Amino acid sequence: DTGVSQNPRHKITKRGQNVTFRCDPISEHNRLYWYRQTLGQGPEFLTYFQNEAQLEKSRLLSDRFSAERPKGSFSTLEIQRTEQGDSAMYLCASSNRGRDTEAFFGQGTRLTVV
Amino acid sequence: AQTVTQSQPEMSVQEAETVTLSCTYDTSENNYYLFWYKQPPSRQMILVIRQEAYKQQNATENRFSVNFQKAAKSFSLKISDSQLGDTAMYFCAFMKHGGSEKLVFGKGMKLTVNP
Repeated sequence: DTGVSQNPRHKITKRGQNVTFRCDPISEHNRLYWYRQTLGQGPEFLTYFQNEAQLEKSRLLSDRFSAERPKGSFSTLEIQRTEQGDSAMYLCASSNRGRDTEAFFGQGTRLTVV
Repeated sequence: AQTVTQSQPEMSVQEAETVTLSCTYDTSENNYYLFWYKQPPSRQMILVIRQEAYKQQNATENRFSVNFQKAAKSFSLKISDSQLGDTAMYFCAFMKHGGSEKLVFGKGMKLTVNP
């Protein structure tokens, strides 16, 4: 296993378009997190999955954002009707509940909305 | 709600020297973890060191050590014998034990190690 994988690495989209990002966590990890990181800031929590169940969502996650983790494996984060304020790095992390507190991060997807 | 503050936005140090990165946090929780994560340019965030709040002994990992002052809610990172590869953004993070165990990050600090 090579770690947490995120695709695409970069995405440029026009305002108003929909975008979808994918995260493949470390295979035995049952927890998956999405964070958003804007320039000059630390990552901010968006949402959390325990296996396939989405158990927590941040207030940052507006109605235009939706995340899924079918079958408790990979996860997708979709942003509908993108706005310029959505431009950010979207980070995915995974960990193993009950075994370790360490969260492993992917390299992120950098979204630019023009 | 928990907050994490890193008041130094940027620091530089000469190779082989020692540098200390500061972090303070605010919480009413008793059972939590604190972390330092490193984010090299264009690479993923990796864990540098972690501290469990109930442990009085400060964590150490090779050249990295922390000074955890629970009463003062302070959690600084000391890097000894700085290396060029230590150049990165460093984030202090808090995690409450139980529930989602999501991370709450500070704004980060850019460390540059000069040859």
